[in-house]
Amino acid sequence: SYVLTQAPSVSVVPGKTARITCGGNDIGRISVHWYQQKSGQAPVLVVYGDSDRPAGVPERFSGSNSGNTATLTISRVEAGDEADYYCQVWDNTNLQSVFGPGTKVTVL
Amino acid sequence: QVHLVESGGGVVQPGRSLRLSCASSGFTFGDYVMHWVRQAPGKGLEWVALIWHDESNIFYADSVKGRFTISRDNSKNTLFLQMNSLRAEDTAVYYCAREEGGTTSLDYWGQGALVTVSS
Repeated sequence: SYVLTQAPSVSVVPGKTARITCGGNDIGRISVHWYQQKSGQAPVLVVYGDSDRPAGVPERFSGSNSGNTATLTISRVEAGDEADYYCQVWDNTNLQSVFGPGTKVTVL
Repeated sequence: QVHLVESGGGVVQPGRSLRLSCASSGFTFGDYVMHWVRQAPGKGLEWVALIWHDESNIFYADSVKGRFTISRDNSKNTLFLQMNSLRAEDTAVYYCAREEGGTTSLDYWGQGALVTVSS
């Protein structure tokens, strides 16, 4: 099955930029979605289709996808952005959805 | 607004069965692909299954194939997950989620139902 990799954790100072990567074989050829999950809450979609934002998601959240790496970028990080972030793709070969292991973002 | 509410969770012995329900409101349920996703305590998200709006396509994760069955009742706006032969490793919070039309992303999630498999 298709495997996604993510760094376990990322730390960032408020006001700076956090970059969360999602690795996968030729991932640039498939659509990547990103979810934010705060402690004790259900996940929330923050980016879909590599770089689109659902209504209500701040413009500070952006996404890109090329080659073997997709990236979620959080600009001007705020304390409220502290959460776990997961990437997700549809594996059209095995007909399964796949989540990455998640990255914990800590705001220092 | 869109609401998804899971029910049916609880404590069950290994080898037994449990059925989860997900009641929906605020959108035309029969128009959407629906998913189940689970999260073991302290762990990441794991996709479980999906069902097309008309039940014409159903797919499962390898970890639950042959033991779990996803189904839906469009007349009652409800999604189901029948879980048989439960194992300790099935212990998790189970979320139902709606797929954003044609994107494979999950745009609305319920709050989850906790299933604990323990003797």
